[in-house]
Amino acid sequence: GNSVTQMEGPVTLSEEAFLTINCTYTATGYPSLFWYVQYPGEGLQLLLKATKADDKGSNKGFEATYRKETTSFHLEKGSVQVSDSAVYFCALSPLGGSNYKLTFGKGTLLTVNP
Amino acid sequence: EADIYQTPRYLVIGTGKKITLECSQTMGHDKMYWYQQDPGMELHLIHYSYGVNSTEKGDLSSESTVSRIRTEHFPLTLESARPSHTSQYLCASSDTLTGTYGYTFGSGTRLTVV
Repeated sequence: GNSVTQMEGPVTLSEEAFLTINCTYTATGYPSLFWYVQYPGEGLQLLLKATKADDKGSNKGFEATYRKETTSFHLEKGSVQVSDSAVYFCALSPLGGSNYKLTFGKGTLLTVNP
Repeated sequence: EADIYQTPRYLVIGTGKKITLECSQTMGHDKMYWYQQDPGMELHLIHYSYGVNSTEKGDLSSESTVSRIRTEHFPLTLESARPSHTSQYLCASSDTLTGTYGYTFGSGTRLTVV
């Protein structure tokens, strides 16, 4: 079946540090890949996505590249801010067939200190 | 701006009470989902619907029930609340007809059963 494994947290960084949150997946075919962010007390928001190999999703300074050869979709940001403190979820969606359910990783808590 | 609405945002209720958590979306999405999020952040799919009059149980067994009488409305009901039902409940929807497989989430309902 499909699965997503992401870096366990919590991750604590100082402002302006470089961020990487690792995400690897197992799936058949060519799934779509997503990163979601959940700020305290809120629901999840789509941060970025990629729908095919070598696609790069980007938003708000965050980037992730769909690497089929390594089945990875690592999230990166060059300089984090205190406002980036949140929980980040990696997810995949299978394409085709009748399964439309997203498979989520367990989430990574990021805390950015001033 | 959210196009999927959950009410109430917070609910504290006594054991044995019947409750309904509301979820409505204005995007015309055909598919809707309910997740339970534990304090460790992990998301558990408890119910989903692929269209009107279609509902299925998710990966995590739940004592709650759902209905989908209208496309835009997907309420979740607990007939007799217990302290073990205390959790954050997240509603989501997706539109697979346009090939966009990501979810849009509501802000969540935080339920506390005392």
